Amino acid sequence: GENVEQHPSTLSVQEGDSAVIKCTYSDSASNYFPWYKQELGKRPQLIIDIRSNVGEKKDQRIAVTLNKTAKHFSLHITETQPEDSAVYFCAASKGRSSASKIIFGSGTRLSIRP
Amino acid sequence: AAGVIQSPRHLIKEKRETATLKCYPIPRHDTVYWYQQGPGQDPQFLISFYEKMQSDKGSIPDRFSAQQFSDYHSELNMSSLELGDSALYFCASSAGTGVREGGYTFGSGTRLTVV
Repeated sequence: GENVEQHPSTLSVQEGDSAVIKCTYSDSASNYFPWYKQELGKRPQLIIDIRSNVGEKKDQRIAVTLNKTAKHFSLHITETQPEDSAVYFCAASKGRSSASKIIFGSGTRLSIRP
Repeated sequence: AAGVIQSPRHLIKEKRETATLKCYPIPRHDTVYWYQQGPGQDPQFLISFYEKMQSDKGSIPDRFSAQQFSDYHSELNMSSLELGDSALYFCASSAGTGVREGGYTFGSGTRLTVV
């Protein structure tokens, strides 16, 4: 079955620096890749997603890239701010739209140092 | 290693019946999250518990209720089931409320079919 691996499990960056989180997926049929942010005790929030017909997508300080050949996708956060501190997880799906089944990565705990 | 255990894996109920889903977190995990995922839908956060207290609430219908017990397992109770409740329900567990070590481990889900 589909497997999504996410690295690193923890990441600490200086405020203002960039953060990169990487994921790989195993099922080449996956065609939808959402990223979620979860803050302390709160629900995961979708922050950005990308579909397999797009190689890169950007939304303000957040960008996601997808390499279908290598089955890699990455989240890039630039100009990090303290409020970016949270757990981020990637996911992959073969769903036609958002998902019929989502496989999540194991999560990355991002800490922003002041 | 032990994972998050959900039971049952599959459940078929008729409209207006009740259902109870169970979630057993990884040992020493004290936080449980419930999600509902309908066909072709993003997973929708329902509710979470930390140390047996509700910590966050999402799009959980009034017909649903949940609780976390002293052994940290959680149960999602669903009453007056509707066809639209047919979905995959999964829970996740973590140590603390998520911003600590380990991230999240999700269970394999309970597929509820309401007929």
